[in-house]
Amino acid sequence: KAGVTQTPRYLIKTRGQQVTLSCSPISGHRSVSWYQQTPGQGLQFLFEYFSETQRNKGNFPGRFSGRQFSNSRSEMNVSTLELGDSALYLCASSLGGGVQNIQYFGAGTRLSVL
Amino acid sequence: SQQGEEDPQALSIQEGENATMNCSYKTSINNLQWYRQNSGRGLVHLILIRSNEREKHSGRLRVTLDTSKKSSSLLITASRAADTASYFCATVTGNQFYFGTGTSLTVIP
Repeated sequence: KAGVTQTPRYLIKTRGQQVTLSCSPISGHRSVSWYQQTPGQGLQFLFEYFSETQRNKGNFPGRFSGRQFSNSRSEMNVSTLELGDSALYLCASSLGGGVQNIQYFGAGTRLSVL
Repeated sequence: SQQGEEDPQALSIQEGENATMNCSYKTSINNLQWYRQNSGRGLVHLILIRSNEREKHSGRLRVTLDTSKKSSSLLITASRAADTASYFCATVTGNQFYFGTGTSLTVIP
């Protein structure tokens, strides 16, 4: 079974631009979560989508948005990029519930904002 | 914040020694999980312990959970250089995951 795939692996953007990151979950997983990881703030939860609906949301500004498609693939968009958005963005998929719910992570997209 | 806190933030040990890291959290949980992250990569699930369990083993890993103290510990026995990584605890409440701040473990060959 293929793992979680994130594309692209690396991105370089300039301030003010927007960016879209993609995540393909493990087949059969209906939940996709996004995290931002920086050296200063650690691993911060952005949002979770389950069956095309945003189910949970972290404490990030509206510039960060996402969506999930009917095949469970998810995209995350950041508009009007700021220098502080430079980070490793991780996507994780899971079955979406139950006491044995485990998250499976992709390798991440490293975004550099210049 | 419901994010867990891990202690210590960094740990350096010799190969063959045991490594213990701790996680404290704030709310009631369904389960608690530990993940490992090698530098700049995604997290990998290590072990899950349910809220009604007190101890769990998996290979060289031993996890304990004390729900009355809202804390957990991860013990890695007979450490290897390949265990060098960051370790995160994640508390799960409902379908929400809350990751801790992480412990950076360095195992010196």
